[in-house]
Amino acid sequence: QKEVEQDPGPLSVPEGAIVSLNCTYSNSAFQYFMWYRQYSRKGPELLMYTYSSGNKEDGRFTAQVDKSSKYISLFIRDSQPSDSATYLCAMSGSNYQLIWGAGTKLIIKP
Amino acid sequence: DTAVSQTPKYLVTQMGNDKSIKCEQNLGHDTMYWYKQDSKKFLKIMFSYNNKELIINETVPNRFSPKSPDKAHLNLHINSLELGDSAVYFCASSQNSNQPQHFGDGTRLSIL
Repeated sequence: QKEVEQDPGPLSVPEGAIVSLNCTYSNSAFQYFMWYRQYSRKGPELLMYTYSSGNKEDGRFTAQVDKSSKYISLFIRDSQPSDSATYLCAMSGSNYQLIWGAGTKLIIKP
Repeated sequence: DTAVSQTPKYLVTQMGNDKSIKCEQNLGHDTMYWYKQDSKKFLKIMFSYNNKELIINETVPNRFSPKSPDKAHLNLHINSLELGDSAVYFCASSQNSNQPQHFGDGTRLSIL
């Protein structure tokens, strides 16, 4: 079993829909959680960074961490075609070494 | 004003050759990384340097050798290239080990 599990998709939704992307993990020592977005032929770019449990909001994006269930989510409201990309979750514990999910390919249909 | 830049963007070469990829960051970060991303988009850490000192050295063939001449540069030299080395190699940097990482746009390596 991988330390971080993420459904590779693709996930296809119509423009304007709310998107929910998720990762599960097995290591209870993880305390730093990140979401990255990767466009085709580009490097990953940081979207959200959270420490421990709770919610964090930034514009149309909300990151949620549930440490009791070992589950993190990224919600995208009012999705746009420009949100089409691969979304990667990443997390680390006190050794700070990032463990990555495999990425979910998201397609927003106009 | 590119934050993390890698050269070259594309590298096509024959099996058995030796090649280098260069990375530079102008963010003033202390920590730099090399990742390999395979065709399924899975990112795998290879090396990490903090202030020119190697801190992460994952299980990669010793044909791969990183070099950090100063904390703004981290280069990757690969000897005796093999077909399985074909991938996208990403350089990244962070303020320190517990801060988010910023990535370059990758070097696409194809082995013929």
